[in-house]
Amino acid sequence: GAGVSQSPSNKVTEKGKDVELRCDPISGHTALYWYRQSLGQGLEFLIYFQGNSAPDKSGLPSDRFSAERTGGSVSTLTIQRTQQEDSAVYLCASSFIGGITGELFFGEGSRLTVL
Amino acid sequence: DAKTTQPPSMDCAEGRAANLPCNHSTISGNEYVYWYRQIHSQGPQYIIHGLKNNETNEMASLIITEDRKSSTLILPHATLRDTAVYYCIVVVETSGSRLTFGEGTQLTVNP
Repeated sequence: GAGVSQSPSNKVTEKGKDVELRCDPISGHTALYWYRQSLGQGLEFLIYFQGNSAPDKSGLPSDRFSAERTGGSVSTLTIQRTQQEDSAVYLCASSFIGGITGELFFGEGSRLTVL
Repeated sequence: DAKTTQPPSMDCAEGRAANLPCNHSTISGNEYVYWYRQIHSQGPQYIIHGLKNNETNEMASLIITEDRKSSTLILPHATLRDTAVYYCIVVVETSGSRLTFGEGTQLTVNP
């Protein structure tokens, strides 16, 4: 596709369950970012990938959160033992190294609701 | 990265120019000013960026003061579809620049 694709668009889960969120970046974009946005709040940085490595994972809020990227393309954000405070929209963005560095292309997000 | 200050909300009449201010008085010489917007229930969208010169593209104009301590994003003919939260961000433009989003300005364009 032409843009950043995220799935699922909506996920409702029970407290304590694990969830996986997927991001398909724009083809050729080597940089990939995960952010989250809680209701009525600004965007919170989680992790940045350059290729398959994550030089900046300082925004991950706890060890229940992890992310990986394979083949320099698709990324998966995993939240283990979900808590109610994990409820948020999780946004993925990608950018092209060599283009406008600060121009990130965002997906529509995955809305996570933890009951 | 330098901190930015924006008004929490602004209103604009449809068809008129929307001028959104941003204060970044602690900006460093190598930091760029970026503007993004987020329409309700969508991901943020890049609008424009600049270092010290004024910039214009098909979406907007960016006016940066000579001392670079503040800037203004101008939407020349606002439409209802421009209703969104507008974020002003300053960042060192290096590979893998992390963008720090503040609270932004909620712009409401009224008919």
